[in-house]
Amino acid sequence: EVQLVESGGGLVKPGGSLRLSCAASGFTFSSYSMHWVRQAPGKGLEWVSSISSNGGYELYIDSVKGRFIVSRDNAKKSLYLQMNSLRVEDTAVYFCARDDSTQEYLPYWGQGTLVTVSS
Amino acid sequence: SYALTQPPSVSVSPGQTARITCSGDALAKKYAYWYQQKPGQAPVLIIYKDSERPSGIPERFSGSSSGTTVTLTISGVQAEDEADYYCQSADTSDTSYYVFGTGTKVTVL
Repeated sequence: EVQLVESGGGLVKPGGSLRLSCAASGFTFSSYSMHWVRQAPGKGLEWVSSISSNGGYELYIDSVKGRFIVSRDNAKKSLYLQMNSLRVEDTAVYFCARDDSTQEYLPYWGQGTLVTVSS
Repeated sequence: SYALTQPPSVSVSPGQTARITCSGDALAKKYAYWYQQKPGQAPVLIIYKDSERPSGIPERFSGSSSGTTVTLTISGVQAEDEADYYCQSADTSDTSYYVFGTGTKVTVL
């Protein structure tokens, strides 16, 4: 059974940093691209970042470019999101997700971790 | 990137049929996917490749596509179907990976 478990969320002041983790199990982690999707309170889903299976390709939504860094450790079956220079508008539940082999959709999601940016 | 537009809300009585549309020019060439999200929970995939249903998803959920619009149909709506529904498509540009629709709140009266 595919399982994705996020951790690392919390309350941080504007300008601060936070590192999210996602522990994966139940599948060959190194074979799949992995993704972060966020949802601001009362708002819709927003794709944030993706990383290829070997970590060689990264992609970010424009609003986080230069501030967030996605990475992975295939040996530890873990995905990370380093979030720097956090803004109030980054407040959201952050979901880790695994794609289908076609990379067209997200059949597997973690339960999410809440990041609150507030002074 | 591109946009996918959904109606903000749909209300339906139990046993009736709910239809949720998702519109966007990219849908003429790309598959659409649908997710159900209940409060405090992660999204769950309910339709893939426009009309396919993953195992374990009730038959009352179905999808269809026509031109630049895809439709999620819930036949014989049940109280447990009250949730937010999002369409999604892939983005093959270098600007994003996935595009989500604006979301539709389904209320069962």
